[in-house]
Amino acid sequence: GDSVTQMEGPVTLSEEAFLTINCTYTATGYPSLFWYVQYPGEGLQLLLKATKADDKGSNKGFEATYRKETTSFHLEKGSVQVSDSAVYFCALRDFGNEKLTFGTGTRLTIIP
Amino acid sequence: DVKVTQSSRYLVKRTGEKVFLECVQDMDHENMFWYRQDPGLGLRLIYFSYDVKMKEKGDIPEGYSVSREKKERFSLILESASTNQTSMYLCASSSGQNWKAFFGQGTRLTVV
Repeated sequence: GDSVTQMEGPVTLSEEAFLTINCTYTATGYPSLFWYVQYPGEGLQLLLKATKADDKGSNKGFEATYRKETTSFHLEKGSVQVSDSAVYFCALRDFGNEKLTFGTGTRLTIIP
Repeated sequence: DVKVTQSSRYLVKRTGEKVFLECVQDMDHENMFWYRQDPGLGLRLIYFSYDVKMKEKGDIPEGYSVSREKKERFSLILESASTNQTSMYLCASSSGQNWKAFFGQGTRLTVV
């Protein structure tokens, strides 16, 4: 079945540091890949997505590239801010399937 | 602004009670989902529905049932609540046309 493995947290960084959160996946078909973010006290919201190999999703300074050869979709940001503190979830949706499969989430804390 | 609304933010129920969690979306989405979120386990799919009166089991349906009598409303039912169902419950909806899942703020259920 489908599965998503992401970097264990929590991750603590200083403001303006470079961020990488690793995500790898297993899927039976050709999935679409997503990063969702959950800010404190809120529901999840879509951060970015990629639907085919070599696509790069980007939003709010975050980027992730769909790498079919390594089955990965790592999240990166060049300079993090305190407001980026949240829990980040990697997810996939297999082709022809409506449901999302999520990773375990990575809690990110940015200190000033 | 699009919205997924869960009826309660916090609930405390006793073991053995029948519990109803309600979710309403205003986007005319076909697909609706119930997840539970637990530390270290991420989001796990309980049930989903892709049309009125249709339902599909997710990864952890045991102890739960669902009802979708109207397109906008998807209810999660705990037939006889148990302490291991203490969790954060998240409702989501999506459309096959422009695939992006929208989440409610969550209901934190405590079973005592």
